[in-house]
Amino acid sequence: DIVMTQSPDSLAVSLGERATINCKSSQSVLYSSDNKNYLAWYQHKVGQPPKLLIYWASTRESGVPDRFSGSGSGTDFTLTISSLQAEDVAVYYCQQYYSTLQAFGQGTKVEIK
Amino acid sequence: EVQLVESGGGLVQPGRSLRLSCVASGFTFDDYAMHWVRQSPGKDLEWVSRITWDSGSVAYADSVRGRFTISRDNSKNSLYLQMNSLRVEDTALYYCVKGVRIQLWSGWYFDLWGRGTLVTVSS
Repeated sequence: DIVMTQSPDSLAVSLGERATINCKSSQSVLYSSDNKNYLAWYQHKVGQPPKLLIYWASTRESGVPDRFSGSGSGTDFTLTISSLQAEDVAVYYCQQYYSTLQAFGQGTKVEIK
Repeated sequence: EVQLVESGGGLVQPGRSLRLSCVASGFTFDDYAMHWVRQSPGKDLEWVSRITWDSGSVAYADSVRGRFTISRDNSKNSLYLQMNSLRVEDTALYYCVKGVRIQLWSGWYFDLWGRGTLVTVSS
């Protein structure tokens, strides 16, 4: 099974500053034949269902603000919030879908400093 | 409106059964595989089960295999999860989720989530 590990578990960032979340998979989620990374990111706010932010490691879902960006390849990935807004307070999860036993990371809680 | 609405959660004793339902609207339900994902209090998201668009293939997490059964009725735009032999550790918010897959060999990412239905297993 592919295990996803996020870091840090939580972080506090000032409004307008950059927030960076890391995600590492126990094996590569890059499929060489299509050169795609099978990695998604979700935002989970209190009292709401999770929301898809990014898929294929760097493709923003429709309607997601461009301050959210994804990068990385193979086993190491990053979600960046370029200028943190109050409404971005949430837990963020990465998820691999390379395997049919798709799995989530443990989550990173983002708060305002 | 594109949405998923779950129901059927509640308080149940260990060893008993419960059936969750999910009704989809706003998209062509029988075009997509559907999944259940759960989140126990204070814990991570855990994928539970999935069913392909035609019910031809189902899969379960190790933690529920043999106790839970997923099914769907495309004529009713509905997804179900029959949960038997419930355990305290099954206590969670259960989400109905729409999956997207490009390759037949790969897993799914999840582009639409319901608000969840809470299952509490306690004596």
